[in-house]
Amino acid sequence: ILNVEQSPQSLHVQEGDSTNFTCSFPSSNFYALHWYRWETAKSPEALFVMTLNGDEKKKGRISATLNTKEGYSYLYIKGSQPEDSATYLCAFLGNYGQNFVFGPGTRLSVLP
Amino acid sequence: DSGVTQTPKHLITATGQRVTLRCSPRSGDLSVYWYQQSLDQGLQFLIQYYNGEERAKGNILERFSAQQFPDLHSELNLSSLELGDSALYFCASSGRQGNTGELFFGEGSRLTVL
Repeated sequence: ILNVEQSPQSLHVQEGDSTNFTCSFPSSNFYALHWYRWETAKSPEALFVMTLNGDEKKKGRISATLNTKEGYSYLYIKGSQPEDSATYLCAFLGNYGQNFVFGPGTRLSVLP
Repeated sequence: DSGVTQTPKHLITATGQRVTLRCSPRSGDLSVYWYQQSLDQGLQFLIQYYNGEERAKGNILERFSAQQFPDLHSELNLSSLELGDSALYFCASSGRQGNTGELFFGEGSRLTVL
């Protein structure tokens, strides 16, 4: 059974704080890793698609890094804002099949 | 708006019944994925179709079935429903088989089995 883990499970930060979360995935048979942002009562939306070891992607105040050799990815949020409150999901795609395995998510609450 | 449409948004039914959930993918997307999200569970992959053919199967129960039609819309059929089938069912689409591109999610169909 393929295991994709995320930590922490939930996180409360103050507005303006910077924060980061971790996604751990199998280090073998890597094909791609996605990060999604899922706001309450909405559907998940893609933040980043990462395919190469050492990839670093950035979108505004949010960035992500990828280490396929050790099987982890970090998501960073700089200067958190209340609108960043959401569940952040990572999804692993192995090269053995064509389905994404999602982690359980990290629920972020940014307090004003 | 992701461009993926799911109907119905909400559905309440009784145990033993059968329901059909419908998904229209983004225009041009050939792959459709179905996911289930139960209480306190992450997104569990059920099944994927590509251009009308089943491509991958996850933890889909035998009581569940799906298909993708020539116009690329997909239906997920859930039968002999049990209380534990209550969940949010998401459909997602993507561009091409094997593509590492992002998934575009619909808003989900919330099924409540009483």
